[in-house]
Amino acid sequence: AQKVTQAQTEISVVEKEDVTLDCVYETRDTTYYLFWYKQPPSGELVFLIRRNSFDEQNEISGRYSWNFQKSTSSFNFTITASQVVDSAVYFCALDNQGGKLIFGQGTELSVKP
Amino acid sequence: ETGVTQSPTHLIKTRGQQVTLRCSSQSGHNTVSWYQQALGQGPQFIFQYYREEENGRGNFPPRFSGLQFPNYSSELNVNALELDDSALYLCASSLVGANGYTFGSGTRLTVV
Repeated sequence: AQKVTQAQTEISVVEKEDVTLDCVYETRDTTYYLFWYKQPPSGELVFLIRRNSFDEQNEISGRYSWNFQKSTSSFNFTITASQVVDSAVYFCALDNQGGKLIFGQGTELSVKP
Repeated sequence: ETGVTQSPTHLIKTRGQQVTLRCSSQSGHNTVSWYQQALGQGPQFIFQYYREEENGRGNFPPRFSGLQFPNYSSELNVNALELDDSALYLCASSLVGANGYTFGSGTRLTVV
């Protein structure tokens, strides 16, 4: 079975703090993709990153960084020096069937000034 | 390059009625997927359309049906609406063979 778990339902931080959003996945497939999406109150899912299962290199994009560890089936997302505009619900998702994304429950991040 | 457009943005229907939601895919994308997102939950896959045919379906009853048109736009139809169908319905388009998905802003359906 395929499953994505985001154990943190809500996180609240003060601006400029670093915050890490956890994601653990389950799949028996050796080829798959992992995603992170941001969902602001408007509802649209905003793509942040896609990582394939063969690429465990960590990635940094500005204040965002991702740590992919196949050994622990985790794909964690860190925001450095958080800002109020980072407040949103963040979803981790798994794709191993070419189009069927399996989402976690989401983590609601609140960044206070 | 236009993104994914969904209409209407909000809709209120009565239990037992039927509803049609619409999605215009991003230019160049030939695959459309639909997701249901209940309040406080992650999106759940309903089905996907490619070349006007259903190409995969999630755990949803047959009263959820869809269409894809030659211009790759799509419709989601839900018959015999139930209160639990109240949710945000998201459409995502992609290009087959690629693994990038562009989501629309969704249609918020309320069933009363």
